[in-house]
Amino acid sequence: AQKITQTQPGMFVQEKEAVTLDCTYDTSDPSYGLFWYKQPSSGEMIFLIYQGSYDQQNATEGRYSLNFQKARKSANLVISASQLGDSAMYFCAMREGYNTDKLIFGTGTRLQVFP
Amino acid sequence: DSGVTQTPKHLITATGQRVTLRCSPRSGDLSVYWYQQSLDQGLQFLIQYYNGEERAKGNILERFSAQQFPDLHSELNLSSLELGDSALYFCASSAGTGKFSYNEQFFGPGTRLTVL
Repeated sequence: AQKITQTQPGMFVQEKEAVTLDCTYDTSDPSYGLFWYKQPSSGEMIFLIYQGSYDQQNATEGRYSLNFQKARKSANLVISASQLGDSAMYFCAMREGYNTDKLIFGTGTRLQVFP
Repeated sequence: DSGVTQTPKHLITATGQRVTLRCSPRSGDLSVYWYQQSLDQGLQFLIQYYNGEERAKGNILERFSAQQFPDLHSELNLSSLELGDSALYFCASSAGTGKFSYNEQFFGPGTRLTVL
């Protein structure tokens, strides 16, 4: 069965530094998509970045990039130049297969950015 | 603002009661998803509707049911509520057709349900 693992319950980073949030996944399907969402304390889920299993290049969206290592089944989120507003929960999620849009979420990592 | 609306924002009710959560998807989106976020279970997919038809089902209890109406809004009905049903319920929408493609899901602000 598909599974998403986020092993870091909490991370700290100083403002303006880069931080990497880990995500590993398990699937036997060659076709899948990986997503990262941010959940601030206000509760809403904000889409950050997407990586498809057949994408040749790592996805980037502004200060967010996804370090996709297919052989290791990892999809780590890199946030560059951290800002205080980046403090939030971050969830990695996977969509598996051709005929489903449902997302399987990891347990999340709480990131705290300090001045 | 994702464009997905959910009402009510907060709901407090007693065990054994029944509640209805409402979701309006982004304009043009045909798929609606329901997720439950609780401390015990994390974020779990419940059910997906596409253009009025059930498309996928996850860990949804038999006490829970959902539907998507012709105007594409969706309702999640929770009955015989238990303390463990207390959670944040998210609705998300996408243009998704169910075929493998990049279909970002846009989440609503959630409905926080408290069962006393």
